[in-house]
Amino acid sequence: GAGVSQSPRYKVAKRGQDVALRCDPISGHVSLFWYQQALGQGPEFLTYFQNEAQLDKSGLPSDRFFAERPEGSVSTLKIQRTQQEDSAVYLCASSSLATLTAWFLGNEQFFGPGTRLTVL
Amino acid sequence: GIQVEQSPPDLILQEGANSTLRCNFSDSVNNLQWFHQNPWGQLINLFYIPSGTKQNGRLSATTVATERYSLLYISSSQTTDSGVYFCAVDGANSKLTFGKGITLSVRP
Repeated sequence: GAGVSQSPRYKVAKRGQDVALRCDPISGHVSLFWYQQALGQGPEFLTYFQNEAQLDKSGLPSDRFFAERPEGSVSTLKIQRTQQEDSAVYLCASSSLATLTAWFLGNEQFFGPGTRLTVL
Repeated sequence: GIQVEQSPPDLILQEGANSTLRCNFSDSVNNLQWFHQNPWGQLINLFYIPSGTKQNGRLSATTVATERYSLLYISSSQTTDSGVYFCAVDGANSKLTFGKGITLSVRP
């Protein structure tokens, strides 16, 4: 597709439920990022993939959060046993350059529309 | 980690006015991007500008990397320019660190 797509756009979950959020990056983009945006704040980094390898997961807030990108394209962010504090917009971004190249040339990221998660 | 500060936090303009939005960052960066977040939450890429000056229509941006700041200029503002403007930087570990954003309201 022309841009990054995410689904679902909106998700309401009861506390304790598991949710799965999907990201389809721009075709051919090597790098994929997940961010969390709380109301009134800027997005915050969660995790980063280069192809299928998860190179950085330092931003995941707890072990209830898990992300995968098994074939180096589509990615899924899974949240287990959701809590009210997980309510936020989850943004996915992709970029075309691998890390080493990006170090020299920079790494413009393109964002999807986000998934708004509300935990009741 | 790298710190990003944006100013002013809020800005109200009359349609047709010009404005300057500022972004300060605490360390050298490989990537600096300006985004406009529309009312539906979509982050729209405005500029990828780790250094130098770029222009796109009524918008232009300048980054002075040695002094660790970037400026976004909006000229002849329109009501459709309203929204939140974010500056984000990457300090060579690929992940973007965002500022808190600048909320711009353009009144007709």
